[in-house]
Parts: sequence; C-alpha cells; structure tokens
Amino acid sequence: EIVMTQSPATLSVSPGERATLSCRASQSVSSNLAWYHQKPGQAPRLLIYGASTRATDIPASFSGSGSGTEFTLTISSLQSEDFGVYYCHQYNKWPRTFGQGTKVEIK
Amino acid sequence: QVQLQESGPGLVKPSQTLSLTCSVSGGSIRSAGHYWTWIRQHPEKGLEWIGCIYDRGNTLYNPSLKSRVTISADTSRSQFSLKLTSVTAADTAVYYCVRDRREQLAIGGFYYYGMDVWGQGTTVIVSS
Repeated sequence: EIVMTQSPATLSVSPGERATLSCRASQSVSSNLAWYHQKPGQAPRLLIYGASTRATDIPASFSGSGSGTEFTLTISSLQSEDFGVYYCHQYNKWPRTFGQGTKVEIK
Repeated sequence: QVQLQESGPGLVKPSQTLSLTCSVSGGSIRSAGHYWTWIRQHPEKGLEWIGCIYDRGNTLYNPSLKSRVTISADTSRSQFSLKLTSVTAADTAVYYCVRDRREQLAIGGFYYYGMDVWGQGTTVIVSS
C-alpha cells in the first residue's frame, strides 16, 4: 500500500499567521491527493481534492499544491476555527491511505 | 443535501461480530459512481480506510481487514452496512460512513471529488 507521511507532526501557529503543511507519498499518486481537517469530536471535513481544487465552501485562504510524491497545504492566515488536525489522503491506488496527521495548535 | 447517519451497538464482546448501518438521507445510494465507504479512527489515532461498496454491489476492502469485513447495501432502504467478524480490542474505534464522491463524465470515465459527506461517527468499544 502507499504510505503517506506528513510533516511536521505538530505545528504551533499564531492566529493570522501562515501555516505550511507537507505530505509525502511513498510512490507517485499523480494529483490524486486530498486534504481533510478534523476538529476534536467531529468528523473530518474535505478541504482539497485533486491536490489543488478547493471543495465546496472552503475559503481561498486554503490552497494545495504538488503532484507525484510531494504535496503542500498552505493556510495563508490562520483563523481560530482552523486549528485541529489535518490529514492528507491518496486515492490513486487501492487501498486508500491517509497520512498520520499534522496537528495545528495555537501558539 | 445528502446526510449520513451511523447506527449500531456501541459495545461488542471480543470474538463477536461488529455490525453497523449507515442511513443515507437527501439522496440515493443508487447514485452512479459514488463509493459508499467505511472509515475508522482508533482512539487518538489517524484514519483507516476499511472498504466501500459501489455501482451494482461491487466491493473493495482493505487487505489488512479483508478476511473479516463485509460491506453490503440495501438500496430500497438507502442504507449500507458494515460487518466485521472476530473482533478484538484493536477494533475499538470511531467508525464513520462516508460518501466518496465521483461523477460520471459524458465522455466516459469519472471525475473524483473527494470524501465530501461524512456521518458524525459512532464509537464502538470491544470489551467483555
């Protein structure tokens, strides 16, 4: 299976600052990469698919980039509701796999 | 707007079978192309894809669970279900049902939109 590795494990950011999250795949997943955000006690929420396409109602402060094995999620100006855990997910091959998550916490 | 809701026992004894149902409202699971999916999340851990059902009852399972998993659908009730046999404490997790959305293109093939609808999740504890 394709192993997804996210870095860093934890990111401490002040509100209004920029956050950059990374995801690496153990083999090429082309652009078949999505990002999800999960708050405590809630289900994950789709942010990005196709590596760079924002899902419905996702603000422009979220942007995704990359292809192949290296991907980045950038949050240009963190709001209070943006804290939580972010997961990358590949859907290029079965079984679907997720990264272990990056926790974005308030600095 | 499509909504998903998991239901089933919150406590299962070791070696027994975990059975969960996902009820789909606001849409039909007959919708061509979508993967109706089960995902779980162990306590304080990441997400694990269990498997899915799509089209006319085709299924795909995670190889790590394949020998114990069955996913089925009841289109008349707009529900799909998960059965996991011979459970152990390692199966204790929050279980989510998910719509993994893809749409058929007029020119053929599918366009993928991601796991765009999630149930709220249901906690299953395996314990005697």
